[in-house]
Amino acid sequence: RKEVEQDPGPFNVPEGATVAFNCTYSNSASQSFFWYRQDCRKEPKLLMSVYSSGNEDGRFTAQLNRASQYISLLIRDSKLSDSATYLCVVTPWNTDKLIFGTGTRLQVFP
Amino acid sequence: GAVVSQHPSRVICKSGTSVKIECRSLDFQATTMFWYRQFPKKSLMLMATSNEGSKATYEQGVEKDKFLINHASLTLSTLTVTSAHPEDSSFYICSAREIGQIYEQYFGPGTRLTVT
Repeated sequence: RKEVEQDPGPFNVPEGATVAFNCTYSNSASQSFFWYRQDCRKEPKLLMSVYSSGNEDGRFTAQLNRASQYISLLIRDSKLSDSATYLCVVTPWNTDKLIFGTGTRLQVFP
Repeated sequence: GAVVSQHPSRVICKSGTSVKIECRSLDFQATTMFWYRQFPKKSLMLMATSNEGSKATYEQGVEKDKFLINHASLTLSTLTVTSAHPEDSSFYICSAREIGQIYEQYFGPGTRLTVT
């Protein structure tokens, strides 16, 4: 089983739509969680950290469910510029490594 | 903001040759740098963790004699792919962590290596 699993997509949505991505992780002792965004042939960029209480940054909302080992990202009012691959990232307990999921590809169309 | 550069951005080399990739933190000091590899449509895979002034720690399955890592200063780490083969063709990305930070890593723009 992969350490971090994501639906690869692609998710094709119209501008203005709301879209949600899910991610599961296998190590119950994982301690930190993030969503990164990666554009084609570019480096990943931190989108937001994910906290147990859930957190929001503008149109983006992240949720963490430790009991189910599940992380989500909700994007409201999608923009064309949101088209990218969204990477779920986990840090195992007692390490400083980042474990990346394979990413979920989002394509927003006009 | 923190900026990490990589050089070269793209390189094509012949089988059997060695290629060196540089990773620099431009406006901060990085005690730790990380090297990742990403194959098409795959996730980033951590290859090794490099600490300034000490030997790199390699992940399971990564050959340390093939992927030589040097982290001689707080702003520079290098990855040398020795005796490159076509299967080494990949996107190599480094990241750097600033002194005092625990988790946040700043990523370089990546180096696309093609071995012919």
